[in-house]
Amino acid sequence: AQSVTQLDSHVSVSEGTPVLLRCNYSSSYSPSLFWYVQHPNKGLQLLLKYTSAATLVKGINGFEAEFKKSETSFHLTKPSAHMSDAAEYFCVVSDLDGGFKTIFGAGTRLFVKA
Amino acid sequence: DSGVTQTPKHLITATGQRVTLRCSPRSGDLSVYWYQQSLDQGLQFLIQYYNGEERAKGNILERFSAQQFPDLHSELNLSSLELGDSALYFCASSVGGQGNTIYFGEGSWLTVV
Repeated sequence: AQSVTQLDSHVSVSEGTPVLLRCNYSSSYSPSLFWYVQHPNKGLQLLLKYTSAATLVKGINGFEAEFKKSETSFHLTKPSAHMSDAAEYFCVVSDLDGGFKTIFGAGTRLFVKA
Repeated sequence: DSGVTQTPKHLITATGQRVTLRCSPRSGDLSVYWYQQSLDQGLQFLIQYYNGEERAKGNILERFSAQQFPDLHSELNLSSLELGDSALYFCASSVGGQGNTIYFGEGSWLTVV
């Protein structure tokens, strides 16, 4: 069965410093992987998506993620944090294990300090 | 704007009551999903419909039910409401199938008093 683990419930960075949000997954098949962002009192917005094409995926707002099959990881990064990046981030895995399923991680809250 | 429309945006009701949340998916999307998000439980998958039929079921209580109509809009019915049902309920949609991007609505805030 597939699963997704976001390794940090909270991450705090200073504005202008790099962001790293970690995600490990488990999947028996070739998964699709996603990162979503949720700003306060808003719906979830797609940041980026991996579907077995290039392993380095670029998303919106300067975010990118790298699919590493050997490490079963899909970490989200950004070179320089902005105050507007403060939000909750969800890593998501989707595959056909036992029928079509989409699993959301528990979320990582990103704090950005001025 | 994701293209997924949810109504109402906010709802306050009393314990024991019944409410209906409505969702219109993005044009062309056949799958509709319902999620519940609360502070203590996080984001919980409730149920998925594909082209009118139930496709997957998550942590949905027996007091809750959903359906997807021929025009593909969906309703989530919550009955015998309890204080703990207070949460943000999201509807989402996708074209359908593995790997398709799920697009979320802005959510319906339910407060049970």
